[in-house]
Order: sequence, then C-alpha cells, then structure tokens
Amino acid sequence: AQSVTQPDIHITVSEGASLELRCNYSYGATPYLFWYVQSPGQGLQLLLKYFSGDTLVQGIKGFEAEFKRSQSSFNLRKPSVHWSDAAEYFCAVGARGSNYKLTFGKGTLLTVNP
Amino acid sequence: DAGITQSPRHKVTETGTPVTLRCHQTENHRYMYWYRQDPGHGLRLIHYSYGVKDTDKGEVSDGYSVSRSKTEDFLLTLESATSSQTSVYFCAIKSIGGGDTDTQYFGPGTRLTVL
Repeated sequence: AQSVTQPDIHITVSEGASLELRCNYSYGATPYLFWYVQSPGQGLQLLLKYFSGDTLVQGIKGFEAEFKRSQSSFNLRKPSVHWSDAAEYFCAVGARGSNYKLTFGKGTLLTVNP
Repeated sequence: DAGITQSPRHKVTETGTPVTLRCHQTENHRYMYWYRQDPGHGLRLIHYSYGVKDTDKGEVSDGYSVSRSKTEDFLLTLESATSSQTSVYFCAIKSIGGGDTDTQYFGPGTRLTVL
C-alpha cells in the first residue's frame, strides 16, 4: 500500500524568503504525485502534479516540485514567498491502475511573517 | 472549477440520526470519491465510485454507505451518526482527457457536526 509522509507539521517563513516543503512517499512503482493547497475554510486547489517525464514540474502561483526517485521524495519549492501563500499544503500519491485512489500526507501548515 | 457542488455545506445533527450528503457534478465524470478531513490526519478516503452503481470501500468506510444511481450524483450516508463522524467531508472527481487526465479535483466541502 502507498503512503505519504510530510515531516513538517508547521513551518514559518518570512515574506520574501524561499520555501521548501518536504514530501516522502512509499510506493512500489512509479507513482502519480500531487501537491494541493488549502486556504482556511476552503477546498483543495491543485498546485502541480507529476506523472512521468521531466522530474522538475512547474505549477501555479510560482511553485515547483522535483521528483527524486532515489530519495522517494517530491519536495515543493518557491523562491520567494508571499503573504497570500499562507495555507495548508498537502502532498498526495496515486497508484496507477487502482481506480486512481489518492493517499494524502497529513499536511504542512505554512505561516508567513511580514 | 470542475463543476462540483456539495450539499448541504454545513449541517449540525444529533447522535443516532441518519445523515445524507450529496455530491453533484455536471461534467459526466466516471470516477467520484468521498474523503473526510480531520486535523492531524489529512484527507482519508471513505468510499469511491467508478461508475453508476459501481462503488467500493476506502480506508475509513466503517459507519458509511454510498450510492450512485446516476452519473452526476454520489451520495454519502451516515446511517446512525456518531460524534466521531464530526468532520469536513470532501467530494472529488477524476478528470479525463488532455493534460488533466487522472487528476482529482475537489468540491467545496461539507462541515458536519454531530452533537
């Protein structure tokens, strides 16, 4: 069975600083990988996804993530954080050929200081 | 916007009462999913559907049942609500076609409180 670990429950950064959110997954083959963002009281919005090909993927709002098979990781990055990026971020892994079910990490809450 | 609506958006009910949550989609998606979100747990899959009248259990299905009698509606029922089912419930669809294939998009959620 697949699993996802987001080691950081809460991260605080200053506005304008760089950001990296960690995600490690467990899956026996090449997975589908996703990052979603959730603002308070809102639903989940897709930031980016990896299915195959180029291991560095670009998403919305200036985010990018890199798939590293050797490290079973899919870390999310942004070079300069804006106050509006404050939200909770979820990494998810999907298994190919299993009715596309997703397994989510427990989330990382991002606080942005002015 | 994947054309997903959920109803009701908020509900307060009492222990032991039945509750049905509705997920409605307008784009003829075959796959639909119900998740619950709880602090410290992320999202966990309750049930999913891969077609009309075709459903299966997720990792936290105890106490829940689902039905899908037509493509556009996926219903989640709590037969006898318990306080442990207080949660935010999200419906999702799996997209098909083009660059969005195999991607799940989520509805706005239903906040359920069981007293």
